Amino acid sequence: EAGVVQSPRYKIIEKKQPVAFWCNPISGHNTLYWYRQNLGQGPELLIRYENEEAVDDSQLPKDRFSAERLKGVDSTLKIQPAELGDSAVYLCASSQEGRQGHYGYTFGSGTRLTVV
Amino acid sequence: QKEVEQNSGPLSVPEGAIASLNCTYSDRGSQSFFWYRQYSGKSPELIMFIYSNGDKEDGRFTAQLNKASQYVSLLIRDSQPSDSATYLCAVNAEYGNKLVFGAGTILRVKS
Repeated sequence: EAGVVQSPRYKIIEKKQPVAFWCNPISGHNTLYWYRQNLGQGPELLIRYENEEAVDDSQLPKDRFSAERLKGVDSTLKIQPAELGDSAVYLCASSQEGRQGHYGYTFGSGTRLTVV
Repeated sequence: QKEVEQNSGPLSVPEGAIASLNCTYSDRGSQSFFWYRQYSGKSPELIMFIYSNGDKEDGRFTAQLNKASQYVSLLIRDSQPSDSATYLCAVNAEYGNKLVFGAGTILRVKS
């Protein structure tokens, strides 16, 4: 079974430019998450989807960040325009609900963004 | 106060010893707790989860939960150099079904 697939693995852009990240979750996982991880920190949630609905986007900087999950499968996270402080690793994860909730997330390999 | 707190380390242990990693959390309503391992330059991978007070064992790993003290720990027996990584504690928030992560503890196992 394929895991969570993310692309690209690395991205270097100049500030004020747009950038997009793509994620395909594990088949059958209806919940998808985008996290951001800064160096030396734990991942922080940006947005959570249940199927195609964004159920928690309270920590998404909506002035420059946007996300979509069309048809409840793959997802795209966009930043426009990028700022120097956006340099981080962007992680996508998915999970499947069980009797006691989910049993942990599976993370993709992440996209390392460098804004110069 | 951070929602999930971990000692950043590094925690250094000799090969074959027991490594003990600790985590405290602030949300008293949290019901499920997770430990992830993250190698340098890689994404987090799930090691264990625990829901009930007490111990849960899986191979060389034991997770311990004390909800009254809001404390979670991970014990790694017979530590190996390949266990050297950052260990992230994650707590499922009572509301919103999302994992909140600590900053992680760096573990170094010396051969």
